[in-house]
Amino acid sequence: EPEVTQTPSHQVTQMGQEVILRCVPISNHLYFYWYRQILGQKVEFLVSFYNNEISEKSEIFDDQFSVERPDGSNFTLKIRSTKLEDSAMYFCASSEWKGRTGELFFGEGSRLTVL
Amino acid sequence: QKEVEQNSGPLSVPEGAIASLNCTYSDRVSQSFFWYRQYSGKSPELIMSIYSNGDKEDGRFTAQLNKASQYVSLLIRDSQPSDSATYLCAVNMDGNNRLAFGKGNQVVVIP
Repeated sequence: EPEVTQTPSHQVTQMGQEVILRCVPISNHLYFYWYRQILGQKVEFLVSFYNNEISEKSEIFDDQFSVERPDGSNFTLKIRSTKLEDSAMYFCASSEWKGRTGELFFGEGSRLTVL
Repeated sequence: QKEVEQNSGPLSVPEGAIASLNCTYSDRVSQSFFWYRQYSGKSPELIMSIYSNGDKEDGRFTAQLNKASQYVSLLIRDSQPSDSATYLCAVNMDGNNRLAFGKGNQVVVIP
């Protein structure tokens, strides 16, 4: 069964360092997302991406964050100058459809620990 | 602030019983509703989607939607120990697949 894959599964970094989280969405999906979940809290939307551009972003997704699809398969989330509060599980998701019938398929997540 | 609320505490049910989970949402124009299952330390897994008022059944799962009351529920029949997980209610508030999640309800099925 097709699945969304994410690397790394766990990354530990020092505060102020840059981190890149990588995702390979399901191959025929057109819409890509990043969500995050701080330990014990809700899953929160960060950004959606379609046709090589951001289609929507939340208030969490400030200038510290960026996304890119550098080739035909990878979808990356870059966090510049990480902060302690960026420690969370970051989930990539993809969907085939937009809007009413859209259903998201999540990757297994990348756990980011900022020290 | 558009919200999705799941207010019940952990739910313990004996194996074979029905587990009932509830969710309310604040945005009256919401059109798409989802239930995800999340095992501890794992990613959310889609188990049900519902778009119209009424009931939708898929195996042992039944989702119920009442848009007038802004209420969506999930029933798990014949609960199994493998159903022990946190169940997340998610609502597509604006048609762009920006899902708003509730905080989840933990279900523990006791053998």
